[in-house]
Amino acid sequence: AQSVTQPDIHITVSEGASLELRCNYSYGATPYLFWYVQSPGQGLQLLLKYFSGDTLVQGIKGFEAEFKRSQSSFNLRKPSVHWSDAAEYFCAVGARPGNTPLVFGKGTRLSVIA
Amino acid sequence: EADIYQTPRYLVIGTGKKITLECSQTMGHDKMYWYQQDPGMELHLIHYSYGVNSTEKGDLSSESTVSRIRTEHFPLTLESARPSHTSQYLCASSEPTGATDTQYFGPGTRLTVL
Repeated sequence: AQSVTQPDIHITVSEGASLELRCNYSYGATPYLFWYVQSPGQGLQLLLKYFSGDTLVQGIKGFEAEFKRSQSSFNLRKPSVHWSDAAEYFCAVGARPGNTPLVFGKGTRLSVIA
Repeated sequence: EADIYQTPRYLVIGTGKKITLECSQTMGHDKMYWYQQDPGMELHLIHYSYGVNSTEKGDLSSESTVSRIRTEHFPLTLESARPSHTSQYLCASSEPTGATDTQYFGPGTRLTVL
């Protein structure tokens, strides 16, 4: 069975600074990987996903993530954070052949300070 | 992006009342899910369905029940609400993308049981 670990519960960054949110997964085969963002009181919005091919994936809102098989990681990055990026971020892993629900990490809360 | 609707968005109700949280999607997705999430906390899968007349319990035991009579509709019912049911409930549906599924979320229902 697959699992996801987000080591950081809470991260605070200054507006304009770069951001990296960590995600480590456990799965025996090549995984399908996702990042979602959740603003307070809202549902989850898909930021980006990795299925195969180029290991650097571009998403919405200026986010990108890099799949590193050797490190079992799928870290989310943004070069310059905006105050509106403050939210909860969830990493998720899906398994082949896709007949089980996604497994979500516990989330990382991002705070942005001026 | 899928269009997923949840009603009501907010509900405050007294102990012992029966409630139904509505979830519908217009994309014809076969797979639908219910998650329970306390504020700022991780997601817990409580029910899912892979098609009409198919329902399964998720990882977290829940006193709620679900039904799937129509593809687009996946309501969740609590026969007798209790304060311990106070939480946010997120509905999602998914579409097959490659050999896995991409999940899309509704805006959530925030339930408070007094």
